[in-house]
Amino acid sequence: NAGVTQTPKFQVLKTGQSMTLQCAQDMNHNSMYWYRQDPGMGLRLIYYSASEGTTDKGEVPNGYNVSRLNKREFSLRLESAAPSQTSVYFCASSEWGKFGTVYFGPGTRLTVT
Amino acid sequence: AQTVTQSQPEMSVQEAETVTLSCTYDTSESDYYLFWYKQPPSRQMILVIRQEAYKQQNATENRFSVNFQKAAKSFSLKISDSQLGDAAMYFCAYRSFSGTYKYIFGTGTRLKVLA
Repeated sequence: NAGVTQTPKFQVLKTGQSMTLQCAQDMNHNSMYWYRQDPGMGLRLIYYSASEGTTDKGEVPNGYNVSRLNKREFSLRLESAAPSQTSVYFCASSEWGKFGTVYFGPGTRLTVT
Repeated sequence: AQTVTQSQPEMSVQEAETVTLSCTYDTSESDYYLFWYKQPPSRQMILVIRQEAYKQQNATENRFSVNFQKAAKSFSLKISDSQLGDAAMYFCAYRSFSGTYKYIFGTGTRLKVLA
């Protein structure tokens, strides 16, 4: 039981390049999330998927796109990377149930030069 | 929209002492969940404790306990007998009981434990 996995762990991009961050969970959770973490800003929600087949914008969606490929996988795409997207990205998942605890992946440190 | 505020960017505590981290939130909902997460230098987010708003009893997990004041919309974390391994960023989080399942996080408090 791996929980939430993310790839890659580190990435350096040049401005204008594109890339996709991959995320998968093996806990059969319905909901999945992408957050970014910046110093002094905490975790800000980029996009989330309440269930397979649905995606919604979070607090900071500009410059990103997402795909909920199936119940397990939720990817985040940067079409044209900008230095402002330098951050640590976390994927997370949760169940709808009464406890609602969210489980996080190990994070991806992305640097855009 | 719901918000979560952590007004202490950094706190320090002597080893074996007790420290309290503050969290306030704003919501118009009556039912929701509250969480404290710990993020050590490894960057991994670890659940410390959770509280359902409909429960009046404060949650406790070993050395960690909360003071949940629903009317004041306050949710503080008390760490007793602090250990060096408690040094980390601590995030307070809010989630609605139903609906969109979004989790809202505070900006975090960095806890330093002094030997």
